Amino acid sequence: GEDVEQSLFLSVREGDSSVINCTYTDSSSTYLYWYKQEPGAGLQLLTYIFSNMDMKQDQRLTVLLNKKDKHLSLRIADTQTGDSAIYFCAESIGSSNTGKLIFGQGTTLQVKP
Amino acid sequence: DSGVTQTPKHLITATGQRVTLRCSPRSGDLSVYWYQQSLDQGLQFLIQYYNGEERAKGNILERFSAQQFPDLHSELNLSSLELGDSALYFCASRPGWLAGELFFGEGSRLTVL
Repeated sequence: GEDVEQSLFLSVREGDSSVINCTYTDSSSTYLYWYKQEPGAGLQLLTYIFSNMDMKQDQRLTVLLNKKDKHLSLRIADTQTGDSAIYFCAESIGSSNTGKLIFGQGTTLQVKP
Repeated sequence: DSGVTQTPKHLITATGQRVTLRCSPRSGDLSVYWYQQSLDQGLQFLIQYYNGEERAKGNILERFSAQQFPDLHSELNLSSLELGDSALYFCASRPGWLAGELFFGEGSRLTVL
């Protein structure tokens, strides 16, 4: 079945870049997402990438997609303490954007001052 | 604030009981999704409604049911509760069925004792 995997923990120093990696299994996925969850809060969509793109940049965020290897990454430039949160990678199931998402386990990003 | 409202925020109940979680989608959004976030299963898609009709089902137990009312709010009913049902239940909404960003509420935390 469909599966999304991420590393569980990443620790960086403030000002460094953070790279969070994700692998997925559904090759027909057309949309791949990155969500952020802060303590006690809901899921906030950070960015998404369409499957025919290799890269998407949005301010401090860069998403890279390697469709051949089914690998997705999120790079956060100049990481700040406010970026400390859990980051979820998610793939949309199937070739339509139905909103039915498979999430990874989440990567806890710890930013040290 | 995503515009999606979930009540109650916290709920503590006993095994065997029944609870109802409520979701008010963003104004104008026709699609409502329910997701469950638990420690052992992570974030899982449960069910989707569009304009009052069920459109997709995920890993939703038979003891759980949902509906979307004419005013577009949705309720998730959980019955014969077990300890393992303790989780954070998220509602998300978006305007259409196949397009648009999913906006998540802050979740209803259910604890079953």
